[in-house]
Amino acid sequence: DGGITQSPKYLFRKEGQNVTLSCEQNLNHDAMYWYRQDPGQGLRLIYYSQIVNDFQKGDIAEGYSVSREKKESFPLTVTSAQKNPTAFYLCASSIDHRDYTQYFGPGTRLTVL
Amino acid sequence: RKEVEQDPGPFNVPEGATVAFNCTYSNSASQSFFWYRQDCRKEPKLLMSVYSSGNEDGRFTAQLNRASQYISLLIRDSKLSDSATYLCAVRIYGGATNKLIFGTGTLLAVQP
Repeated sequence: DGGITQSPKYLFRKEGQNVTLSCEQNLNHDAMYWYRQDPGQGLRLIYYSQIVNDFQKGDIAEGYSVSREKKESFPLTVTSAQKNPTAFYLCASSIDHRDYTQYFGPGTRLTVL
Repeated sequence: RKEVEQDPGPFNVPEGATVAFNCTYSNSASQSFFWYRQDCRKEPKLLMSVYSSGNEDGRFTAQLNRASQYISLLIRDSKLSDSATYLCAVRIYGGATNKLIFGTGTLLAVQP
């Protein structure tokens, strides 16, 4: 079964702790993306990667970090520097950066207490 | 002005009704257009791409008006299962810019 998986579905963390969200895809897509969604707001781009070992900042990268060591994996770390980390985090992928038909994983709902 | 704007709704319609959503975009360099459907607390799922000549998929019709810079989604014969939030997305590609920008979504509630 091809697709994008994100884990965990729900995550609770104490303020000041770093947390890493997982995103894996077996679609053989080159490009991967991280978005965050807050109530009443559209999806906002955090980071994206067009190819392995390369990534660029999106519109709201401050307080986040990523890596892309494997084509299938694009983990996102929410650091303690992120002022409002509670949100719904969505990972997406597309065949490559020229094809912007993006497909989303099921999301991780992060709550910082 | 936001780069992509949608009426947040909610649109409350009876089953069987026809409903239309618009989405306006401000950047004339926008190149590709999409409609996504998002159920409550779930991920967005691609509903359809929007082509210049307009396109149809069953009860759903998408259209693009480049002159007025908007896309539209028409749903005919609404079903209860159509209740969801509909997000439009616009791709902007040029120079150092290559990204997909989403609207905030329009909430549709189909009533029995």
